[in-house]
Amino acid sequence: AQSVTQLGSHVSVSEGALVLLRCNYSSSVPPYLFWYVQYPNQGLQLLLKYTSAATLVKGINGFEAEFKKSETSFHLTKPSAHMSDAAEYFCAVTRPFGNEKLTFGTGTRLTIIP
Amino acid sequence: EAGVTQFPSHSVIEKGQTVTLRCDPISGHDNLYWYRRVMGKEIKFLLHFVKESKQDESGMPNNRFLAERTGGTYSTLKVQPAELEDSGVYFCASRGGVAGDRTDTQYFGPGTRLTVL
Repeated sequence: AQSVTQLGSHVSVSEGALVLLRCNYSSSVPPYLFWYVQYPNQGLQLLLKYTSAATLVKGINGFEAEFKKSETSFHLTKPSAHMSDAAEYFCAVTRPFGNEKLTFGTGTRLTIIP
Repeated sequence: EAGVTQFPSHSVIEKGQTVTLRCDPISGHDNLYWYRRVMGKEIKFLLHFVKESKQDESGMPNNRFLAERTGGTYSTLKVQPAELEDSGVYFCASRGGVAGDRTDTQYFGPGTRLTVL
């Protein structure tokens, strides 16, 4: 079975500060990993994904994440927060083979302080 | 290109009533998924259609939930009779691309917020 743990259901950072959202996974096989973002009244939008190529993955809106197998982590970062980054962020995992479903973490709501 | 749409955006019903949620995937996407998020918890998989066939329905909570995708286009998810614990946000997602390619993006709709009183 696969699982995802997102540490911190709420994270607040000042505008211009580093954004770090944590995601740890558990998987019996090498996983595929995803970060999705949900802005108010919108669907989940893919930020970036790791599918066993480069371990440092760059996504949209200046976000990136690094797959660290030794730490079973896939933390999301952005060097400088913008007010428009306020949203809820979800980390998800799936298996390269077998069931296609995404297994999500509980989400982290990011607040940007002006 | 239109995204995934869901209707209604909100639904408030009483326990024991029936509700039907609709999802229109991105045109041409054979794969359609339903997920649910109960308040404060993670988004959980319910089922997966490939065209009109149910590929995986392992996440369906019980037989009060019925999903259909007639003709392989839009899908409906019916809850009958609704219970209090069915409250939550129901998301639909669709994916195109090669069958079984898990690197393809699942595109999500905005969700339907269901409240059962």
